[in-house]
Amino acid sequence: GAGVSQSPSNKVTEKGKDVELRCDPISGHTALYWYRQRLGQGLEFLIYFQGNSAPDKSGLPSDRFSAERTGESVSTLTIQRTQQEDSAVYLCASSLDGAGGATDTQYFGPGTRLTVL
Amino acid sequence: AQKITQTQPGMFVQEKEAVTLDCTYDTSDPSYGLFWYKQPSSGEMIFLIYQGSYDQQNATEGRYSLNFQKARKSANLVISASQLGDSAMYFCAMREPYGNNRLAFGKGNQVVVIP
Repeated sequence: GAGVSQSPSNKVTEKGKDVELRCDPISGHTALYWYRQRLGQGLEFLIYFQGNSAPDKSGLPSDRFSAERTGESVSTLTIQRTQQEDSAVYLCASSLDGAGGATDTQYFGPGTRLTVL
Repeated sequence: AQKITQTQPGMFVQEKEAVTLDCTYDTSDPSYGLFWYKQPSSGEMIFLIYQGSYDQQNATEGRYSLNFQKARKSANLVISASQLGDSAMYFCAMREPYGNNRLAFGKGNQVVVIP
């Protein structure tokens, strides 16, 4: 079946502009996650959605970052007034139910590479 | 505080040989999950293997096995019979139940398989 998809695959923007990144999770997965990966680094957690529960926004680095999710489907990550330090790959993942069991593995999309000039 | 530690420098491995990638973790919770992901140069994160903290046996998935030493808080990945396509970054990650299912990642191990 289809995996996690993300768009765009690459985004180049000028400092100060807003950007929107999109994630389509695996069908039937109720949990969705956003991570950021800076060059040569591991992944940093940003935000987590699970069903209709309030999202866990504790990883968002500043109030310029926000994310929404429509029901149990598409999510968008918005970065306002982009800065050069926002340049990174933004990865989305989804899992079955967020219950944390053995089968609740996170599967990742291909990522969006964001470059802020 | 860093929860996942991967400190090995980049590794060169001969094709068909085995390679072990080190991972140590830090948690005070008795219930947690450990994951390994592969990230080739194309950038996607590919799930390899999972080990639960209460699992009695070490996890295995094809050529991948996890050497889980709970008392030492280590979860080393063993790749047997290396193939050229195994060249990639490998990330160890931990899921803690009170962390809202988020994964905490290490900085990764670079592996290059040479013919």
